[in-house]
Amino acid sequence: QQQVKQSPQSLIVQKGGISIINCAYENTAFDYFPWYQQFPGKGPALLIAIRPDVSEKKEGRFTISFNKSAKQFSLHIMDSQPGDSATYFCAAGWDQGGKLIFGQGTELSVKP
Amino acid sequence: GAGVSQSPSNKVTEKGKDVELRCDPISGHTALYWYRQSLGQGLEFLIYFQGNSAPDKSGLPSDRFSAERTGGSVSTLTIQRTQQEDSAVYLCASSFLSGSYEQYFGPGTRLTVT
Repeated sequence: QQQVKQSPQSLIVQKGGISIINCAYENTAFDYFPWYQQFPGKGPALLIAIRPDVSEKKEGRFTISFNKSAKQFSLHIMDSQPGDSATYFCAAGWDQGGKLIFGQGTELSVKP
Repeated sequence: GAGVSQSPSNKVTEKGKDVELRCDPISGHTALYWYRQSLGQGLEFLIYFQGNSAPDKSGLPSDRFSAERTGGSVSTLTIQRTQQEDSAVYLCASSFLSGSYEQYFGPGTRLTVT
């Protein structure tokens, strides 16, 4: 099973709040888990990625938490800003490259 | 440097016509991917070119879809006898084949089949 399930579909957060998006996967062979950010009319851009040998990775305001036993990973956006308003996609793939399996996306709106 | 470019940015075609979508990857990237994004949906993998190896065509939805990569660079995705359900944004991405596998996406081609 190669599905990646993402929730919620949409999220509204106040400026300065924490945005949390969750993903779950089935295939234990996945060993690369990126998050992409997409603005309207643009292609997705890599935000942050994690491999299963670590449980957390932080880059600036963005943190991935990874739970290998539960086959779940999540994106936390600290101090959310209106400029973070975009659609976020989680994905799963293989460390040696190849196709990515994407979640359905979360539309984040950060209110000023 | 230049990113992934795609053309056209928008394409409107009549049902039953053939269309060709073009992708110019980042120079030096030997891996190239096509994905499809339907309205409000995630990205659906279509095909993956990996250097000189045979492409991974496992995501192509039907035999109406085909893709070529000439000279290890430019790629063309062809959809024959287009159907209304083919309407979507077609995204191309490229990456290195070793080291960093980060996929860089182009802006996409929005295809509308009327």
